[in-house]
Amino acid sequence: ETGVTQTPRHLVMGMTNKKSLKCEQHLGHNAMYWYKQSAKKPLELMFVYNFKEQTENNSVPSRFSPECPNSSHLFLHLHTLQPEDSALYLCASSPSGGRGAGYTQYFGPGTRLTVL
Amino acid sequence: DQQVKQNSPSLSVQEGRISILNCDYTNSMFDYFLWYKKYPAEGPTFLISISSIKDKNEDGRFTVFLNKSAKHLSLHIVPSQPGDSAVYFCAASIDYGGSQGNLIFGKGTKLSVKP
Repeated sequence: ETGVTQTPRHLVMGMTNKKSLKCEQHLGHNAMYWYKQSAKKPLELMFVYNFKEQTENNSVPSRFSPECPNSSHLFLHLHTLQPEDSALYLCASSPSGGRGAGYTQYFGPGTRLTVL
Repeated sequence: DQQVKQNSPSLSVQEGRISILNCDYTNSMFDYFLWYKKYPAEGPTFLISISSIKDKNEDGRFTVFLNKSAKHLSLHIVPSQPGDSAVYFCAASIDYGGSQGNLIFGKGTKLSVKP
């Protein structure tokens, strides 16, 4: 399998549930990202991992907890979410090092999350 | 305040004509710009990029123009095809000297190409 994959593609959860989103990249990249896309808003960067180390947390509430066990896998653990957290969650990866083309990010298909 | 702005939420173009999508930015430190295309229920797909040292980059039917003095870039698609109908996102990056560049995205422009 090639590219960036995300599972599940759709998720419905209650506010008291705990769930996890999974992302896997088959591109040999070393940087991975979580984004949130809400209706009529730009893509919002949530977390950045570079060589498995978290390099950015964009003021994300603690009910979102990322995990990066290796450069190919990224998880987003969810617990006690709010209805306003309903959105499309996108994972992306990019090569590390260098300028320009090294910054091109490749996205997965996203997980459509609905919080009831 | 938005650093990357796509002021047209939608654009409708006839098949075979040119589509011009515009993007403005406010941060003069941005040094790399990208365009992504997104179909419904899919993630954004990288389309074309341009470095701040250039003013034009061309790839097939797609050309990106960068006007640094005006802090403006545009994506030209010619000829437009119905399959180009999608949401197009402009993104910009700053080289902080680290090993990855975080992207700042615009809100997107929905392009509809009519047969």
